[in-house]
Amino acid sequence: EAGVTQSPTHLIKTRGQQATLRCSPISGHTSVYWYQQALGLGLQFLLWYDEGEERNRGNFPPRFSGRQFPNYSSELNVNALELEDSALYLCASSNAVLGRKRYTEAFFGQGTRLTVV
Amino acid sequence: AQKITQTQPGMFVQEKEAVTLDCTYDTSDQSYGLFWYKQPSSGEMIFLIYQGSYDEQNATEGRYSLNFQKARKSANLVISASQLGDSAMYFCAMENWGNQFYFGTGTSLTVIP
Repeated sequence: EAGVTQSPTHLIKTRGQQATLRCSPISGHTSVYWYQQALGLGLQFLLWYDEGEERNRGNFPPRFSGRQFPNYSSELNVNALELEDSALYLCASSNAVLGRKRYTEAFFGQGTRLTVV
Repeated sequence: AQKITQTQPGMFVQEKEAVTLDCTYDTSDQSYGLFWYKQPSSGEMIFLIYQGSYDEQNATEGRYSLNFQKARKSANLVISASQLGDSAMYFCAMENWGNQFYFGTGTSLTVIP
């Protein structure tokens, strides 16, 4: 079974440009989470999609946006890139089912390392 | 508000010794899941262990065990017989009733030979 896949692995952009990051969840998983991890720091929650809808977003400006497609894959878009957007962007998927007592772990992709120069 | 707190930015442990990584959480949910992840320098996030809020026994997975104290809202990770390969960042996480994941800021563990 294929794991969570993210593309591209590395991305170099100049300040002011737009970046698009992609994530394919594990087959059967409907929830996709996006996190930003700046160098040496923890995970900052960006966005959460489930069943095609945005369920929640973290404390990030509107230039961070995304969407989830009918096949549950997801895209993260970052507009007007700034130098401080340079980070590892991690995508995770889970089989979110409401009303259960056994929670399942989120599975992570390898990440996209975005460098803004 | 949901919150995960890891108060130890960095920890050192001698090889073959045990180490405890602290995690406290804050939630008003009665049902939730607690997780620990390991992140080596390569950046991948590796799931280690899970504890459900309704589980009466502490979870164990090989050398990993989770010291779950529900009343104190703590979910500490215990690694026994540390190995050099255990050097990594460790993240505590919680999935709430609404299926959102929350992560702590992480603890950097260094195993000394």
